[in-house]
Amino acid sequence: DAGITQSPRHKVTETGTPVTLRCHQTENHRYMYWYRQDPGHGLRLIHYSYGVKDTDKGEVSDGYSVSRSKTEDFLLTLESATSSQTSVYFCAISDPILAESTDTQYFGPGTRLTVL
Amino acid sequence: AQSVTQLGSHVSVSEGALVLLRCNYSSSVPPYLFWYVQYPNQGLQLLLKYTTGATLVKGINGFEAEFKKSETSFHLTKPSAHMSDAAEYFCAVSGAGANSKLTFGKGITLSVRP
Repeated sequence: DAGITQSPRHKVTETGTPVTLRCHQTENHRYMYWYRQDPGHGLRLIHYSYGVKDTDKGEVSDGYSVSRSKTEDFLLTLESATSSQTSVYFCAISDPILAESTDTQYFGPGTRLTVL
Repeated sequence: AQSVTQLGSHVSVSEGALVLLRCNYSSSVPPYLFWYVQYPNQGLQLLLKYTTGATLVKGINGFEAEFKKSETSFHLTKPSAHMSDAAEYFCAVSGAGANSKLTFGKGITLSVRP
């Protein structure tokens, strides 16, 4: 398995509170991604990063922000959590140059977030 | 623009039977195609992928898929199902290039009956 960890693995919070999820990789991959997984929707891209301090929006970015100050860490922040953000969040990494497998994304174990 | 269609949300087969999970895609550029598997309470694991070259792709755990451009399909098959194959399966498409995004289908849950 690719060296990807996510923390916390489970979190319950209340509406209106800020939440930060962390993705940490040991593979030195340049690209990192945040997805959310919801029944009937598959995985949808929230934000992604193509290098330190370089980030861009995905399909469902409203209500989320990200930061990447180091190659190995990619943080996802919900500034004011809402019940619609209850989901399972997955981090993924890829590197078209480093990896032999161009464009393949490798996924972390996920964080289950419940917003009450 | 790109999209993936996985018809149906659930497939049930008997142990030892053929597994066929369908995937159709839409892409404005030559596609890269992927199948991922997700076991309960785990992340996604790559089963196989097609980028260029041979259209029949073999993956892990005895799965294979064939890229058919004329049918815009990338169906996943396994000749003989095993109980351990029970999981959720996702088809995904991207284009070539470092900034190309991965678009997922909604997933299909495979159940295997004893």
